[in-house]
Amino acid sequence: QLQLQESGPGLVKPSETLSLTCTVSGGSINSSNFYWGWIRQPPGKGLEWIGSIYYSGTAYYNPSLKSRVMISLDTSKNQFSLELSSVTAADTAVYFCARDVVTIFGRGNWFDPWGQGTPVTVSS
Amino acid sequence: DIQMTQSPSTLSASVGDRVTITCRASQSLSSWLAWYQQKPGKAPKLLIYDASNLDSGVPSRFSGDGYGTEFTLTISSLQPDDFATYYCQQYNDYFRTFGQGTKVEIK
Repeated sequence: QLQLQESGPGLVKPSETLSLTCTVSGGSINSSNFYWGWIRQPPGKGLEWIGSIYYSGTAYYNPSLKSRVMISLDTSKNQFSLELSSVTAADTAVYFCARDVVTIFGRGNWFDPWGQGTPVTVSS
Repeated sequence: DIQMTQSPSTLSASVGDRVTITCRASQSLSSWLAWYQQKPGKAPKLLIYDASNLDSGVPSRFSGDGYGTEFTLTISSLQPDDFATYYCQQYNDYFRTFGQGTKVEIK
């Protein structure tokens, strides 16, 4: 059974870079059938897709975050990572990683399964 | 970007009730819509994809319908485990967007 687990600092200072890693177990990220994505949820609010990456390294991002986001992967460790630069309080959220299922369009469609999420607070 | 609007925002219902949540898109999605269930402090769980296909292991009391810009999620007989927040998500565009959520509360 595929499982995803986020890890990283729970507190980041304003203007610094948020860095998180998602470790995948029970399956390989080296698959042409899936992208691997990051989604976030500010406290008490809804869900926002951040970006997704393919096993080849091709990534695409939410246009509103694109200038600050980078997603990378390490197939040897079966991990993928998120970096979000120049953070502000508005980036405070629970960050989820998820498998991004590819069917039509040759890109991600829906997300399943999800990691449990990791809370990140931006504060000095 | 494609805007997703769910209604109602909150729904109060009793065990055994039939409940329906609506999701409207700002442009046509064909059938490219998913539904998720999220409980407090937990990750969202996929319920339905391609508007009406039930994910594996999801109880048959859940069903999805719709095409184009209007979609529904129906729970035929609400169970105690179903009190949660539900989100729709479109994947017609690479820039995936979610509805704001519908919280199903105990009446």
